[in-house]
Amino acid sequence: KQEVTQIPAALSVPEGENLVLNCSFTDSAIYNLQWFRQDPGKGLTSLLLIQSSQREQTSGRLNASLDKSSGRSTLYIAASQPGDSATYLCAVRPRETSGSRLTFGEGTQLTVNP
Amino acid sequence: DAGITQSPRHKVTETGTPVTLRCHQTENHRYMYWYRQDPGHGLRLIHYSYGVKDTDKGEVSDGYSVSRSKTEDFLLTLESATSSQTSVYFCAISDLGQPQHFGDGTRLSIL
Repeated sequence: KQEVTQIPAALSVPEGENLVLNCSFTDSAIYNLQWFRQDPGKGLTSLLLIQSSQREQTSGRLNASLDKSSGRSTLYIAASQPGDSATYLCAVRPRETSGSRLTFGEGTQLTVNP
Repeated sequence: DAGITQSPRHKVTETGTPVTLRCHQTENHRYMYWYRQDPGHGLRLIHYSYGVKDTDKGEVSDGYSVSRSKTEDFLLTLESATSSQTSVYFCAISDLGQPQHFGDGTRLSIL
């Protein structure tokens, strides 16, 4: 059974700092990996999706990497801002053709202090 | 967000009553999903659909049923609600290989 772990569970940093969030998964047979952001009381917003054949994806100040063989992904946030404060979740999709079932980690709660 | 509407947004009901949650999409995506989110467990898949009238069970499907009679609507039913089903329920949509997009959730309390 696929298990996804995110460390740390919570992180507090001063504004402007570069930071890395970690995600690890136990089964490397994945189709893709997705990073989400969740604000309090809201749904999930998709940030980046990395296909299993890719090593990284970038969007603005966000960069996500994938090392499938070691079962790891990182989300790098450059020049953090208070508006980045949220819970960040990673999720993996197994390598199967029926549906796009995702297994989620429990998230990292990020606080960026002004 | 991404043309997904969940209703109701909040509901309080009593143990043993039936409850139906609705997810409506305007994106014409093939796949629709129901998740629940609980502290200490994260997001877990309840059921999903890969087309009209085509559904399958997820990780925590006991006590839940779903129906999809139209591409745009995916219903989640608790036939006889229990306190353990108190949770926040999220609907998501996607096309194959594409990112999943989520609704804003339904907060369900069962007393």
